[in-house]
Amino acid sequence: DAGITQSPRHKVTETGTPVTLRCHQTENHRYMYWYRQDPGHGLRLIHYSYGVKDTDKGEVSDGYSVSRSKTEDFLLTLESATSSQTSVYFCAIRGFTGELFFGEGSRLTVL
Amino acid sequence: DAKTTQPNSMESNEEEPVHLPCNHSTISGTDYIHWYRQLPSQGPEYVIHGLTSNVNNRMASLAIAEDRKSSTLILHRATLRDAAVYYCILYWEGNNNDMRFGAGTRLTVKP
Repeated sequence: DAGITQSPRHKVTETGTPVTLRCHQTENHRYMYWYRQDPGHGLRLIHYSYGVKDTDKGEVSDGYSVSRSKTEDFLLTLESATSSQTSVYFCAIRGFTGELFFGEGSRLTVL
Repeated sequence: DAKTTQPNSMESNEEEPVHLPCNHSTISGTDYIHWYRQLPSQGPEYVIHGLTSNVNNRMASLAIAEDRKSSTLILHRATLRDAAVYYCILYWEGNNNDMRFGAGTRLTVKP
């Protein structure tokens, strides 16, 4: 158990509304990641963080922003959700020898 | 961009060993070989990783070819719980921290 929790686990929202997903870790790891997983595309990196207030873009960052004000929390925000952002979102942390540990996922549906 | 090639699917019988192959002919000297698996409706799970030498842990063994252009994940006794999609990934921490997941191999375990 890598001590990662994601919230909410399920959310249904409407187009144009803001959405924030939270990733919380209990193990003080420096690196945290947000991925999305869609049929036919596999897992794709959205944003990652390498420390408090240090973040960078991944492969599919358009339409998403992130924040990390504390080591333990990494927030993913959709400022104005669109139907194309319907997906399963996974948070991950990087362990001390480079391996990734993933959360259980947050399933987002944008109507 | 170093890539990996895996069979789309494999079948195994319960309690028999399973050898999951991965080709990575363009691997660079700094790339680690990582394996993850994803059970249905769950987040990816770290299995094992290595650089040059074969590696063993409680879940599996990783056999790396001498030229590092291929590797094999070995499950010593498959159980029904091992049915999952298995991902072979090349990862170098300097690569913008982007661990890229392909389509993986879907392993079916027959009782």
